[in-house]
Amino acid sequence: NAGVTQTPKFQVLKTGQSMTLQCAQDMNHEYMSWYRQDPGMGLRLIHYSVGAGITDQGEVPNGYNVSRSTTEDFPLRLLSAAPSQTSVYFCASMNIDTGELFFGEGSRLTVL
Amino acid sequence: GQQLNQSPQSMFIQEGEDVSMNCTSSSIFNTWLWYKQDPGEGPVLLIALYKAGELTSNGRLTAQFGITRKDSFLNISASIPSDVGIYFCAGQSSGAGSYQLTFGKGTKLSVIP
Repeated sequence: NAGVTQTPKFQVLKTGQSMTLQCAQDMNHEYMSWYRQDPGMGLRLIHYSVGAGITDQGEVPNGYNVSRSTTEDFPLRLLSAAPSQTSVYFCASMNIDTGELFFGEGSRLTVL
Repeated sequence: GQQLNQSPQSMFIQEGEDVSMNCTSSSIFNTWLWYKQDPGEGPVLLIALYKAGELTSNGRLTAQFGITRKDSFLNISASIPSDVGIYFCAGQSSGAGSYQLTFGKGTKLSVIP
């Protein structure tokens, strides 16, 4: 079972560059979300989606865009990277019947 | 907003010892989840709890859903080196379309062989 798959695992960007973190899940979950994890800050919700065509902001959405054109995919876009966006990013999908949230392996992003 | 206090922040224990950690909330939750995160990996779900007072085990791990619905506990018995990692609690409230989880900041466990 692939579960939640994120790419890339590692990425280095220069300030101002753009990039997209990819996320795909094969569990047919309607709910998907993106978190960032920083030392001492725990997991913070960036954006989430409750189904194809529906997205909403989480706790720390500024500087990030998302879209949900299919149930399987939920990419996270950084339009103009800033050093403050250096973090580890986790995509997750939820079985809304049980509330169980399943995470990908993470994408470590460094912005210089 | 909702807040989860997870304690302790970190623990150093001897191999073979039992471990206990807990989360308390300012709000009522209908679901409690416990995760473990190994270095360089994503959090992995250990135990899910759905009813106040529920006690659930997964091998050497036992978790309880507090009867006030505002707290949860995770115990690890007879710790081994591979128990090292960060343990997170997460709570979910009820409500139409309310899927958001509130996470604790984690308990970092170190096991001394």
